[in-house]
Amino acid sequence: EVQLVESGGGLVQPGGSLRLSCAASGFTLSRYDMHWVRQVTGKGLEWVSTIGSLGDSHYPGSVKGRFTISRENAKNSLYLQMNSLRAGDTAVYHCVRGADVDGFDIWGQGTTVTVSS
Amino acid sequence: EIVMTQSPATLSVSPGESATLSCRASQSVGSNLAWYQQKPGQAPSLLIYGASTRATGIPARFSGSGSGTEFTLTISSLQSEDFAVYHCQHYNNWPPRFGQGTKVEIK
Repeated sequence: EVQLVESGGGLVQPGGSLRLSCAASGFTLSRYDMHWVRQVTGKGLEWVSTIGSLGDSHYPGSVKGRFTISRENAKNSLYLQMNSLRAGDTAVYHCVRGADVDGFDIWGQGTTVTVSS
Repeated sequence: EIVMTQSPATLSVSPGESATLSCRASQSVGSNLAWYQQKPGQAPSLLIYGASTRATGIPARFSGSGSGTEFTLTISSLQSEDFAVYHCQHYNNWPPRFGQGTKVEIK
């Protein structure tokens, strides 16, 4: 079964760091573009980062310089290193696979990040 | 950056009726648009990509249309499992952005 399972969320103080992990099963993660998308409870979706199949990475201005996406092929896993966290980063973070064709076709259930003192 | 605007925010529909959801882009995204369905407590799931192509396993009652800046998702003969939030997303360039979502609720 094709599946993504996130972990690593939790409560962190403003200015702190957190590393999210995403374990993929049923497919080879490195063959796909992989993304992180976040969602504030009851709100819309916000794209957070992408790592391409060739290793290129992209970020929106809101997290650029603070967040780093990476993958470990041997573990078939995706990561998101989040530094200098702010209250506005509080959300559920989903690990997402880019489809072979277009769109984001496989979504993990998400891990919750809460930034609060 | 391209801004995606969905309307209406909430749509009240009776089971068996059809629903029409709109998504507008602040500049042309060609056909590089996807629609997602999100049920309460669940992650989103891909419905439509390329503005009009149904993803694998999506029933024919879901149809997408449009190009450029104006897009529509039509759900014909709404079933109980179709009441959810629907998000549009462009992937024409960086950053790929989502609309704020349309909630389809039971009338």
